Amino acid sequence: SYELTQPPSVSVSPGQTASITCSGDKLGDEYACWYQQKPGQSPVLVIYQDTKRPSGIPERFSGSNSGNTATLTISGTQALDEADYYCQAWDSSTVVFGGGTKLTVL
Amino acid sequence: QVQLQESGPGLVKPSQTLSLTCTVSGGSISPGSYYWSWIRQPAGKGLEWIGRISSSGSTNYNPSLKSRVTISVDTSKKQFSLKLRSVTAADTAVYYCAREAVGELVSFFDYWGQGTLVTVSS
Repeated sequence: SYELTQPPSVSVSPGQTASITCSGDKLGDEYACWYQQKPGQSPVLVIYQDTKRPSGIPERFSGSNSGNTATLTISGTQALDEADYYCQAWDSSTVVFGGGTKLTVL
Repeated sequence: QVQLQESGPGLVKPSQTLSLTCTVSGGSISPGSYYWSWIRQPAGKGLEWIGRISSSGSTNYNPSLKSRVTISVDTSKKQFSLKLRSVTAADTAVYYCAREAVGELVSFFDYWGQGTLVTVSS
């Protein structure tokens, strides 16, 4: 079965750039998307189709996808960006989520 | 604004069937470019996709759960439902319903329900 691998945790200082990776075999040949989930809340879509931002998502969120790795980048990270982030793709009629990355802003 | 709301028992006994319903409001359940999915999340763990259904009734399931899962849709009521058979404590989780936008190699969940906690315990 297809797997997506994320680092369990990433730390960033306020105002700096955070990068969260998602690795999977030939992931760049498919579209990846990203969700933000804060404690006790439902996930929120922040990036879809590799690079697109839904309405209402700040411009500091951006995405890329090439080769075997998709990357979520948060520029000028703010304290309110502290959350769990999940990547997701679609393979052979199956939805696959990455294991999630806890972003700590400190 | 599309809204999804899960409903169903919060406690299920081991070996029994977990049944949940998701009601869609603020939009139609019928557009062909969307699927309707169930996703779960055990406490402190990641997201696990359970399966999905189109408005015409076409389904796809997570291979790891396929033998125990049935997802159905009632477009007249704007509802879709999940049945998970022979549950164990490992099925204890928050269960989400979500709308999935689909296309050529495209899949993403743009609307989610608030989630409902289902505990499997005697």
